[in-house]
Amino acid sequence: AQKITQTQPGMFVQEKEAVTLDCTYDTSDPSYGLFWYKQPSSGEMIFLIYQGSYDQQNATEGRYSLNFQKARKSANLVISASQLGDSAMYFCAMRDDTDSWGKLQFGAGTQVVVTP
Amino acid sequence: DGGITQSPKYLFRKEGQNVTLSCEQNLNHDAMYWYRQDPGQGLRLIYYSQIVNDFQKGDIAEGYSVSREKKESFPLTVTSAQKNPTAFYLCASSGGARGLVTNEKLFFGSGTQLSVL
Repeated sequence: AQKITQTQPGMFVQEKEAVTLDCTYDTSDPSYGLFWYKQPSSGEMIFLIYQGSYDQQNATEGRYSLNFQKARKSANLVISASQLGDSAMYFCAMRDDTDSWGKLQFGAGTQVVVTP
Repeated sequence: DGGITQSPKYLFRKEGQNVTLSCEQNLNHDAMYWYRQDPGQGLRLIYYSQIVNDFQKGDIAEGYSVSREKKESFPLTVTSAQKNPTAFYLCASSGGARGLVTNEKLFFGSGTQLSVL
């Protein structure tokens, strides 16, 4: 069953504006981790930010922040002050403790295009 | 610099041919993974390995094979049984063995684009 859902296939955002990328997840395990990766057109996957299920505060990394709403099982990525270089595919991923092998499961991704 | 090297960047396969994608890491990581990415889609797990000489099937292992003879190497063979091999293939690694903590992130290579002639 699909554990990670990203409902926005694509988004346009103007330079210097903020953008929110949606991610919902499904797990019955109380211990899990949520990840966001960026994939530019070159193909490599770049780790952006991590949120643990027991973390009390929302994660932040520079212009990236994670809006973690545990009860709603959502982990939205917020990119502030968008730059042209933010144009890429963005993936949400999850690992939970039901899987002792530690595999990451990925959503389908959201394509972001930043316009001048 | 430590990292993951995938080669070749582009690969073409003729019908009925087996091809092997290389993945080497110098991060001293125990775990290695192969993912397949189709256009506009997320990553799907093909195979993974947590330790040398051991590997497990992922969600879409049919038509693929792997080996893990050395800690730093995890080659993927796309066999002739894989009828739709055209895709972008990503190799990844992470530090943990079994008992992986949930915050262990994956490090990725730059990928191999496989196409069928």
